[in-house]
Amino acid sequence: DQQVKQNSPSLSVQEGRISILNCDYTNSMFDYFLWYKKYPAEGPTFLISISSIKDKNEDGRFTVFLNKSAKHLSLHIVPSQPGDSAVYFCAASENTGFQKLVFGTGTRLLVSP
Amino acid sequence: GAVVSQHPSWVICKSGTSVKIECRSLDFQATTMFWYRQFPKQSLMLMATSNEGSKATYEQGVEKDKFLINHASLTLSTLTVTSAHPEDSSFYICSARRFGGAYNEQFFGPGTRLTVL
Repeated sequence: DQQVKQNSPSLSVQEGRISILNCDYTNSMFDYFLWYKKYPAEGPTFLISISSIKDKNEDGRFTVFLNKSAKHLSLHIVPSQPGDSAVYFCAASENTGFQKLVFGTGTRLLVSP
Repeated sequence: GAVVSQHPSWVICKSGTSVKIECRSLDFQATTMFWYRQFPKQSLMLMATSNEGSKATYEQGVEKDKFLINHASLTLSTLTVTSAHPEDSSFYICSARRFGGAYNEQFFGPGTRLTVL
């Protein structure tokens, strides 16, 4: 049972345009959401996060939007740069037990010059 | 700060042998460490959670006798894949939660590529 889903395995965007990566979840107990960037053969790098009490969080070129009623979040990157090309994972956690992270399946973003 | 290292970065072994992977938090104390595995083009799947000085908690479907986890200190956790078989070939990643850090803050190591022949 995949509790966190990223339905788009890949996304191609031109440099300077907006990249929108989507993520859906099923567990209503999740109260914190994170986005990670990952290059092949490397560990994930934290990008941005959002608490369930907010609907938007912005950090430079990265903005995460959360729609709790739809159990949906998205990551906007604007303007996109070739260096943004990587696999992006969304992750979710709930404040119980070990507060472990549940990862989505990832979206490969390719930003072309 | 908040650097996590893994050793080795890659390992090739023969079927039936055991392989130990180390995960270290270099500049902070980690009360909790997590072990994940990732198959090609798939998500990171949590294998187990380890707290310093106590037994690891394994996720459903993960064989604890096959994947031995030891968290002997606040800066070191080890994962030993015992009697490795080709199906154990994967990318293993650890993460660490900093003592006193936010509950949802994990710092990831660079991963270890295991290939079992």
